[in-house]
Amino acid sequence: NAGVMQNPRHLVRRRGQEARLRCSPMKGHSHVYWYRQLPEEGLKFMVYLQKENIIDESGMPKERFSAEFPKEGPSILRIQQVVRGDSAAYFCASSPSQSSYEQYFGPGTRLTVT
Amino acid sequence: GDSVTQMEGPVTLSEEAFLTINCTYTATGYPSLFWYVQYPGEGLQLLLKATKADDKGSNKGFEATYRKETTSFHLEKGSVQVSDSAVYFCALGNSGGSNYKLTFGKGTLLTVNP
Repeated sequence: NAGVMQNPRHLVRRRGQEARLRCSPMKGHSHVYWYRQLPEEGLKFMVYLQKENIIDESGMPKERFSAEFPKEGPSILRIQQVVRGDSAAYFCASSPSQSSYEQYFGPGTRLTVT
Repeated sequence: GDSVTQMEGPVTLSEEAFLTINCTYTATGYPSLFWYVQYPGEGLQLLLKATKADDKGSNKGFEATYRKETTSFHLEKGSVQVSDSAVYFCALGNSGGSNYKLTFGKGTLLTVNP
């Protein structure tokens, strides 16, 4: 059973470009969490999604950031018009159940904005 | 809001030394507590957990006891190995309704020298 897959592993964008980060959860998991890790910081919760639904996006900036988890395909975290402060590692985690802290993390996408 | 404070690193030890990484938390109610480990270039892996006061989580020689009176969950290992070199994150889960997001500390880098 493959683990959580994220791609790309490294992404370089110039200021003003768009960044798309993909997360394929473990087989059978329908719950996805996105976290952001800024330099010298711990992971911060961004958004929690179930298939076709955003359950909690309280940790996501109101502008430029969006997330989706369609019925088919990976979850996507989209950052429009990136700025240098968006440079970070973005981790997704999948869970088999709504009522559980059992989360399996992907290797992360390291976004660098130049 | 909920928060986790863990001892700042980096921590450098010799092989077979005793390890303690301190972690304290602030939370309402009765959170679940976790230690995650992140090896270079990889995602976070759950190391151990405790879900109620006085529970002891253990795995791979690591232990941590959930102390409600001191709001602490310190990580210990009696004899570290070079392969334990990694970043260790303390985290708590305090579900608010349907979101089982995790709140992380900043992480502690451990380097074990032969």
